[in-house]
Amino acid sequence: AQSVTQLGSHVSVSEGALVLLRCNYSSSVPPYLFWYVQYPNQGLQLLLKYTSAATLVKGINGFEAEFKKSETSFHLTKPSAHMSDAAEYFCAVLTGANNLFFGTGTRLTVIP
Amino acid sequence: GAGVSQTPSNKVTEKGKYVELRCDPISGHTALYWYRQSLGQGPEFLIYFQGTGAADDSGLPNDRFFAVRPEGSVSTLKIQRTERGDSAVYLCASSLSPGSTDTQYFGPGTRLTVL
Repeated sequence: AQSVTQLGSHVSVSEGALVLLRCNYSSSVPPYLFWYVQYPNQGLQLLLKYTSAATLVKGINGFEAEFKKSETSFHLTKPSAHMSDAAEYFCAVLTGANNLFFGTGTRLTVIP
Repeated sequence: GAGVSQTPSNKVTEKGKYVELRCDPISGHTALYWYRQSLGQGPEFLIYFQGTGAADDSGLPNDRFFAVRPEGSVSTLKIQRTERGDSAVYLCASSLSPGSTDTQYFGPGTRLTVL
């Protein structure tokens, strides 16, 4: 069965600093991995997805993630945090049954 | 075009009552999913439709929960004899077709509170 684990339920960074949100996966088959963002009182929005093409995936709003099979990781990064990046971020893996298994989320706070 | 819409946005009910939550997927999307998000948790899968039929309902917690999609578009999640533990945000998503690379687009959710 596929699953993901997000390390760190809360992350705080200063405006302009590097954002690093961690996600590790467990899967017996090549996984399809996703990062979603949830702004307050809004629905989940797809940031990016890995579907076994390039290991470095670029998404919206300057975010990117690198698939590392040797580390079973799919960490989300952004070189320079902006105040508007403050939100809840979810890592997810597509299960064999075509539904998404989500991590518990990481709340990102950006300090001015 | 329009995204996934869900109604109502908020629902407050009393323990033991029956509730219906509605989802309007993106036009043309054949796959529709229901998830439940409890406070401080990630969304958890409930049920997935391909067209009119439930392709996978393994996430429904018990037989008080039921969902339909009679015409392959709008879906209704039905909860009987609600319990306080059912309080959560219920999310609906749709995708063009069920597949590994098709993005699931989420609606804003219905916040259910059972008193």
